[in-house]
Amino acid sequence: QQQVKQSPQSLIVQKGGISIINCAYENTAFDYFPWYQQFPGKGPALLIAIRPDVSEKKEGRFTISFNKSAKQFSLHIMDSQPGDSATYFCAASIESNYQLIWGAGTKLIIKP
Amino acid sequence: DTGVSQDPRHKITKRGQNVTFRCDPISEHNRLYWYRQTLGQGPEFLTYFQNEAQLEKSRLLSDRFSAERPKGSFSTLEIQRTEQGDSAMYLCASTAYGDSSYNEQFFGPGTRLTVL
Repeated sequence: QQQVKQSPQSLIVQKGGISIINCAYENTAFDYFPWYQQFPGKGPALLIAIRPDVSEKKEGRFTISFNKSAKQFSLHIMDSQPGDSATYFCAASIESNYQLIWGAGTKLIIKP
Repeated sequence: DTGVSQDPRHKITKRGQNVTFRCDPISEHNRLYWYRQTLGQGPEFLTYFQNEAQLEKSRLLSDRFSAERPKGSFSTLEIQRTEQGDSAMYLCASTAYGDSSYNEQFFGPGTRLTVL
């Protein structure tokens, strides 16, 4: 029940296209859902996060869509650029317990 | 640089040796977390501190692992009698808990441990 399942494992998108990564969770007590971006040899960096009281959050080219009833959330990267090539992780946590539970990651490659 | 720093960045050791890693959080961040990340996987929670108090430890943290945050600032993670299965990236993160119920965890660059 603590798991966060992430798909796909890897994704190749043409420059300018839309990259979509999906995550699903089981624990209905989760109420904080961040997406992290990680480049090789670096620590993860927060990209965007959402709480379940909204269904969508947009920051620049990055959008989180959240479906509470389906217990799913997704990251959309619009106008994908080669600099977006990285590994993306979804995560979830409970307000009173800030231990982040992570998905397995998606390696995104943007082809020029 | 005011981000989270970790030292060393890389550590190669022989099986059975003890190793210690250090994490310096962002100044005034009262919560500090340790995670372990193996190749191709997401980070796994190990433990976290609020100020100097260790509030939770994962079952991943066997008795060979110990973490401290003696003055509520930097933290150390020690692994005794290292095993090859301990080879991983050890990540530290910090956050300012209290102003908001929904914190951002800021991560350091990690310490890559290789046990031969």
